[in-house]
Amino acid sequence: GESVGLHLPTLSVQEGDNSIINCAYSNSASDYFIWYKQESGKGPQFIIDIRSNMDKRQGQRVTVLLNKTVKHLSLQIAATQPGDSAVYFCAENKNGNQFYFGTGTSLTVIP
Amino acid sequence: DVKVTQSSRYLVKRTGEKVFLECVQDMDHENMFWYRQDPGLGLRLIYFSYDVKMKEKGDIPEGYSVSREKKERFSLILESASTNQTSMYLCASSFQGTGELFFGEGSRLTVL
Repeated sequence: GESVGLHLPTLSVQEGDNSIINCAYSNSASDYFIWYKQESGKGPQFIIDIRSNMDKRQGQRVTVLLNKTVKHLSLQIAATQPGDSAVYFCAENKNGNQFYFGTGTSLTVIP
Repeated sequence: DVKVTQSSRYLVKRTGEKVFLECVQDMDHENMFWYRQDPGLGLRLIYFSYDVKMKEKGDIPEGYSVSREKKERFSLILESASTNQTSMYLCASSFQGTGELFFGEGSRLTVL
């Protein structure tokens, strides 16, 4: 089966510092990846995506890096803010419409 | 904005009851999905649908069924609820091919 895992289940960072959340995936055929943010009591929300023909993509304060050689994905959040506290999931897609999700990393921002 | 609406945020049911979870999306998406979310297990796909009246099993379909009679509505049915189906249920939708999933707020089901 698919395996999309995260290195750390929890991460605490000081407000203003940068955060890095990591994700490993097992299927080398996966060609599309998404990071989702889930705040308490809400459904997951799209943050940023990347296709397998890229190794880096930047958004507003967020950057996703893809290393296909080691099947690793990371989400970097610059100048982390209290509103960034949430659970972050990576998801991989290999056959068009189905996504497989990791177990999530809980990010806590310390004021 | 895309809106995915789940009919109930919180439900409490008894073992053996039939449970319906409804999901409606307003963006004319072809694809709709039902996931369950459990601590430490992430999101697991129960069923999905590519089109009206079409359904495909996901990773954990046992104990569940679905119905998609209209494009905007995707229902999850627990024919006979059991305590191990206590969970958060998330509905999502997407356009064919684009990939990005839009999620509802979730339905937290407790089976006693």
